[in-house]
Amino acid sequence: EDQVTQSPEALRLQEGESSSLNCSYTVSGLRGLFWYRQDPGKGPEFLFTLYSAGEEKEKERLKATLTKKESFLHITAPKPEDSATYLCAVRKGGSEKLVFGKGTKLTVNP
Amino acid sequence: GAVVSQHPSWVICKSGTSVKIECRSLDFQATTMFWYRQFPKQSLMLMATSNEGSKATYEQGVEKDKFLINHASLTLSTLTVTSAHPEDSSFYICSAKGIGEKLFFGSGTQLSVL
Repeated sequence: EDQVTQSPEALRLQEGESSSLNCSYTVSGLRGLFWYRQDPGKGPEFLFTLYSAGEEKEKERLKATLTKKESFLHITAPKPEDSATYLCAVRKGGSEKLVFGKGTKLTVNP
Repeated sequence: GAVVSQHPSWVICKSGTSVKIECRSLDFQATTMFWYRQFPKQSLMLMATSNEGSKATYEQGVEKDKFLINHASLTLSTLTVTSAHPEDSSFYICSAKGIGEKLFFGSGTQLSVL
């Protein structure tokens, strides 16, 4: 069964304190790992798609990396506006479906 | 970027009534749309996959007669929750498949059934 596990469930950081979020997955024939940001009461906002181990993508203070078993979302010098829930999802070959993890709720204090 | 509009943002209804939620892709054509449900502090759970001009494909455990999905055009899909009950109260989110592998999400609908 395809599974996505995100850790930690919640993370509190001080502004400027860099850290990483983890997404571990088990899926047969990965056809994309996705990172989304979700603010309270809103739909997810697309951040990154990674397709193969070793791939990295960056956007402002965020950097996503991928291995054969997990993905990391690195946050460098976060700001309070980075506070949100970050969701990880995987898609397997032959399917259009995304399987989501429960997310990591990030709070960045000023 | 691609925009998916979802309405209403929130709705309160009495038990036994039906509620319709609309999902529109504003600047692209979406042959495939997806409907998710999200309970507090839980992940998004796929309810059904909607393809334009054909019947929706429902996930295991989702009642197709209760959650009616219509995808009549390349830019509009609707989800109707029929005979809603308090246990149907949840956050419903649609998404549309754009160019490439990206999925774009609507802003969600918070349904509260009294």
